[in-house]
Amino acid sequence: QKEVEQDPGPLSVPEGAIVSLNCTYSNSAFQYFMWYRQYSRKGPELLMYTYSSGNKEDGRFTAQVDKSSKYISLFIRDSQPSDSATYLCAMSEEYGGSQGNLIFGKGTKLSVKP
Amino acid sequence: DGGITQSPKYLFRKEGQNVTLSCEQNLNHDAMYWYRQDPGQGLRLIYYSQIVNDFQKGDIAEGYSVSREKKESFPLTVTSAQKNPTAFYLCASSISWQGAAKQFFGPGTRLTVL
Repeated sequence: QKEVEQDPGPLSVPEGAIVSLNCTYSNSAFQYFMWYRQYSRKGPELLMYTYSSGNKEDGRFTAQVDKSSKYISLFIRDSQPSDSATYLCAMSEEYGGSQGNLIFGKGTKLSVKP
Repeated sequence: DGGITQSPKYLFRKEGQNVTLSCEQNLNHDAMYWYRQDPGQGLRLIYYSQIVNDFQKGDIAEGYSVSREKKESFPLTVTSAQKNPTAFYLCASSISWQGAAKQFFGPGTRLTVL
């Protein structure tokens, strides 16, 4: 079963807050985990890309993967109004073919208020 | 500038008409994808192409057709057989078809059936 669960929100936070976005999944074969940011009426933009378990940091963004719990997170520090967007998690298995296709969560809509 | 372009940005279709959405990439990527995005549904895979002159059905291929005659182009035709075509259509590409590949998205085409 290839299912990814993501709370759709909306999530509203004040500027400067730490934001935590999460996804859970059921397929233990997933190895690659991605976060995309999508502004209204635009295409998704790849934000973070991680392999297997662990943390990855890029500026104000930190991605965490806990494969034992089948749980991934994206943290945004010092959130800015420009971070207001929908955040999509996506994941795929190791190998190519249909198993290598991305499975997306439904997205969490984030609003950062000045 | 390397990237993915989609045209038109907005498209209106009458009932019973076929329409073709354009997707072009100059990233020299082998694989290309078409997704459909509906409110609250996340991204669903329509068709994908691992290499030129080859394509495979995704999860929701009924009522759609594609071709991949050139590496840089992957047009999608929405046929009159598609029962509910109003949606936001996203094209993506990746350097290869393997599961590790990062997918990059175009700006999208919003199709509305009148």
